[in-house]
Amino acid sequence: QQQVKQSPQSLIVQKGGISIINCAYENTAFDYFPWYQQFPGKGPALLIAIRPDVSEKKEGRFTISFNKSAKQFSLHIMDSQPGDSATYFCAASRRYISQAGTALIFGKGTTLSVSS
Amino acid sequence: DVKVTQSSRYLVKRTGEKVFLECVQDMDHENMFWYRQDPGLGLRLIYFSYDVKMKEKGDIPEGYSVSREKKERFSLILESASTNQTSMYLCASSFRPSYNEQFFGPGTRLTVL
Repeated sequence: QQQVKQSPQSLIVQKGGISIINCAYENTAFDYFPWYQQFPGKGPALLIAIRPDVSEKKEGRFTISFNKSAKQFSLHIMDSQPGDSATYFCAASRRYISQAGTALIFGKGTTLSVSS
Repeated sequence: DVKVTQSSRYLVKRTGEKVFLECVQDMDHENMFWYRQDPGLGLRLIYFSYDVKMKEKGDIPEGYSVSREKKERFSLILESASTNQTSMYLCASSFRPSYNEQFFGPGTRLTVL
């Protein structure tokens, strides 16, 4: 119930194509769903995030689609570029037993390669 | 810009050694986190702290402890390093409990021989 399942594990897309990464969760108490992007040798960085009262959020070429009833959310990268080649992690926010802290649970990651 | 720094980029230790990984953030964040990252397993939360001297276990706390004596500094301690603790360790911080964006450091790649 505490897992976030991410697919695919790896993805190869042609330059200019659409990259789609999917995530699914079980716990309806999750209340914040971010996507993080990680380049080799760097720590992850927040890319875009959504709350469950919104079905879609767009920032430039990046869009999150959120389906609350299906407990699924996805990242779409339009007009994918070689510079988008990175590892992408979906995540969900949850509270811990103490109720004083919230933390993220991450999916296992998707390695995206955009070929030129 | 928020900056999260980690004391070492690469570290090599022997089995049984006590290992300290240090993390410092410069933006007065309340929350700090330690994760380990392994291929195919993503990021797994070891411990986090929501205030000075306050800590909470994450999903994989066994074999680790933490210390937060000052707001800006969060240390991860491997009491007796083992080879299965060879991994990339990532520290992160966030501004306040209700604001969830986490800022990550560059990571420490620890090898235990």
